[in-house]
Amino acid sequence: NAGVTQTPKFQVLKTGQSMTLQCAQDMNHEYMSWYRQDPGMGLRLIHYSVGAGITDQGEVPNGYNVSRSTTEDFPLRLLSAAPSQTSVYFCASSYGYGSYEQYFGPGTRLTVT
Amino acid sequence: GQQVMQIPQYQHVQEGEDFTTYCNSSTTLSNIQWYKQRPGGHPVFLIQLVKSGEVKKQKRLTFQFGEAKKNSSLHITATQTTDVGTYFCAGDSGGGADGLTFGKGTHLIIQP
Repeated sequence: NAGVTQTPKFQVLKTGQSMTLQCAQDMNHEYMSWYRQDPGMGLRLIHYSVGAGITDQGEVPNGYNVSRSTTEDFPLRLLSAAPSQTSVYFCASSYGYGSYEQYFGPGTRLTVT
Repeated sequence: GQQVMQIPQYQHVQEGEDFTTYCNSSTTLSNIQWYKQRPGGHPVFLIQLVKSGEVKKQKRLTFQFGEAKKNSSLHITATQTTDVGTYFCAGDSGGGADGLTFGKGTHLIIQP
């Protein structure tokens, strides 16, 4: 099993550009989440999904969209990048149903200039 | 909303000294999880505590969950250089993946 994979590992965007961060898991997990990590702020939940076709907002959803068309994939879209979105983005998945251990991907380091 | 406070933010220790990080929630938790993140890496699950007053050990690591299920601690005995990293607690209010709130983490720095 590859676990949780994320692409790209690094990305530089100009203000106003859009892009999609990819996330996939091969563990048949129902729950998937996107977090951003900023220095001194810990991990903050952006969006999450409890199953294919179901998504919801987390703590910091503004400027981001998600969709969950399959169990395996959970892409995060930046609509119009801003310097405040410079961060490290982690995708995570969990089995759910009473066992919520999160498996994290390796992360995407995004810089918006 | 639920808040999870973690202290200290940074901890410098000499190799071989003990280390403790504390986690406090503003609300009663259904369970609490602990994660470790090595520098440049991603968070890795360590353990989950569910029962009031629960104590679990993993080699030199001891995890405790408070009687009121609002606080927790992680204690490392005789730190080693491999313990370097950031330790996060994550409180689960019972809502599943959406109910997990992470503390800001404690950075453990070890001086040989």
